Amino acid sequence: DVKVTQSSRYLVKRTGEKVFLECVQDMDHENMFWYRQDPGLGLRLIYFSYDVKMKEKGDIPEGYSVSREKKERFSLILESASTNQTSMYLCASRRTGDGQFFGPGTRLTVL
Amino acid sequence: QKEVEQNSGPLSVPEGAIASLNCTYSDRGSQSFFWYRQYSGKSPELIMFIYSNGDKEDGRFTAQLNKASQYVSLLIRDSQPSDSATYLCAGGQSGGSYIPTFGRGTSLIVHP
Repeated sequence: DVKVTQSSRYLVKRTGEKVFLECVQDMDHENMFWYRQDPGLGLRLIYFSYDVKMKEKGDIPEGYSVSREKKERFSLILESASTNQTSMYLCASRRTGDGQFFGPGTRLTVL
Repeated sequence: QKEVEQNSGPLSVPEGAIASLNCTYSDRGSQSFFWYRQYSGKSPELIMFIYSNGDKEDGRFTAQLNKASQYVSLLIRDSQPSDSATYLCAGGQSGGSYIPTFGRGTSLIVHP
């Protein structure tokens, strides 16, 4: 079975802090994604990577950056956390053309 | 803009009934469609995919695709309370590194 893991299930940070969310997949998938999910807004794509060191902006990249130095690892960075970044963050991976497999999610609270 | 539309629900069905979840999409170039189930507080889980017109069955689940009408549906036969969840529809172009477009999901409640 595909396994996608995320570094934390719950995270509490203060406004202005730099936050790192890590995602690791074990199935050699080319594509990896970061989403945030908020009630009533559905899944919104933050960034997408289709290969090592490659990244594409999604629908809401502002305030975020990403890093993909190794195929299995995709990191999301909040440069300076703000309260409006309080959300559920979901990482997903996919072999090209297939459906996505999601990690368990990180519920981030920014105080 | 590519859109995938779903009725937010909730759709309430009695145990044992057939639940019918529907999804429409705007991008005629979409070739691949996926259904995800998301329990409250959990992450989405891939349950079905369909690429060709017609029906695809997997256990109690049947996915239906009608490209002419730009319509995808998921039927759940013999619904169980454990099927109560939000169901997300996603679509995209096949091949390459397309980015799938997600609907906002339909909440399904199966009551005993």
